[in-house]
Amino acid sequence: DQQVKQNSPSLSVQEGRISILNCDYTNSMFDYFLWYKKYPAEGPTFLISISSIKDKNEDGRFTVFLNKSAKHLSLHIVPSQPGDSAVYFCAASASGSARQLTFGSGTQLTVLP
Amino acid sequence: DADVTQTPRNRITKTGKRIMLECSQTKGHDRMYWYRQDPGLGLRLIYYSFDVKDINKGEISDGYSVSRQAQAKFSLSLESAIPNQTALYFCATSDGLGRGSNQPQHFGDGTRLSIL
Repeated sequence: DQQVKQNSPSLSVQEGRISILNCDYTNSMFDYFLWYKKYPAEGPTFLISISSIKDKNEDGRFTVFLNKSAKHLSLHIVPSQPGDSAVYFCAASASGSARQLTFGSGTQLTVLP
Repeated sequence: DADVTQTPRNRITKTGKRIMLECSQTKGHDRMYWYRQDPGLGLRLIYYSFDVKDINKGEISDGYSVSRQAQAKFSLSLESAIPNQTALYFCATSDGLGRGSNQPQHFGDGTRLSIL
């Protein structure tokens, strides 16, 4: 029973355009959400997070949007760059779970030059 | 030098062998975690530790054990390896700041383990 789902295994975007990566969750107790980026042969690297008390958090080219009623979050990358090509994981945690992270299965983003 | 170091980076071994994967960190974090990643799946939590005397099972702890030898060291053992434990294993750390605090986890570069 996947509590965090990334339904798109892959996404291709032209350099300079917007990349939108999506994530859905089922556990209403989740109140903290994160995005990680992973390059081959490296560990996941923390990118950006959002608390459930917010609906948007922005850091440079990266913005995360949270829609609690739809149990949906998305990561926007604008403008996309070839170096953004990586696997992106969303993750979620709940305050009552000692902050254990539950991960989605990842989306491979390819930014075409 | 990496903040979170995993050794070995790659390991091939046979069914039934005992294997230990090691993780050390220089970040000064009190929390440490072990995850495994299988193809097409996200990372799944095996064990986590909030300090040297606090070790907890994660989602998929069966067949694994851990040891927190010091604040900076957290090792994962497979007592008798089986082929379906072939996976990519990651260690992670985070800053505690209270049991329910929101702090991102920082990952090592992983150990690719193959069990024949």
